[in-house]
Amino acid sequence: GENVEQHPSTLSVQEGDSAVIKCTYSDSASNYFPWYKQELGKGPQLIIDIRSNVGEKKDQRIAVTLNKTAKHFSLHITETQPEDSAVYFCAASMDSSYKLIFGSGTRLLVRP
Amino acid sequence: GAGVSQTPSNKVTEKGKYVELRCDPISGHTALYWYRQSLGQGPEFLIYFQGTGAADDSGLPNDRFFAVRPEGSVSTLKIQRTERGDSAVYLCASSLGDRDTDTQYFGPGTRLTVL
Repeated sequence: GENVEQHPSTLSVQEGDSAVIKCTYSDSASNYFPWYKQELGKGPQLIIDIRSNVGEKKDQRIAVTLNKTAKHFSLHITETQPEDSAVYFCAASMDSSYKLIFGSGTRLLVRP
Repeated sequence: GAGVSQTPSNKVTEKGKYVELRCDPISGHTALYWYRQSLGQGPEFLIYFQGTGAADDSGLPNDRFFAVRPEGSVSTLKIQRTERGDSAVYLCASSLGDRDTDTQYFGPGTRLTVL
């Protein structure tokens, strides 16, 4: 079955700097790759997703890139702000209505 | 509009007891998912419903776990003979069920503690 690895497990950046989180997946049949942000005591919230027919997607300060050949995808957050501090999870799935396989999470701390 | 809601928000029970966790999906969402999240880990898939039927229950760890969705809306996750290892946050998500454009929206979770 699918396996998703996520790095780093923790990331500390200065406010205004960029943050990059990387994930690799094992199943070449995966076609849908969402990123979720989870704050303490809350459920995961989708921040951006990408499907296998595109290589990059951007939404304001957040961007995701996908390399299907290498089976890896990355989250890029620019101009980080203290409110970006949270745990971020990547996931992979055959399609967006199928079960999501999550990575182990990255705890991002943005220092003011 | 209202998001996915889950009740109770917290449940403390004793080893061996039976528990039920409830999920109210977003209105109109035909797909419903249950995940389990242990401390410091990513959510782990348990079961997925499309309408009233379980389309994929491959993530249920054993036969003590069972879920229903009798009318295609509210779902209940049932755990029999609870064990300390069942302690986790149980997350529910729902989606429209369109595989090309779907987004899974998560509820706040139920924190289950088995003493």
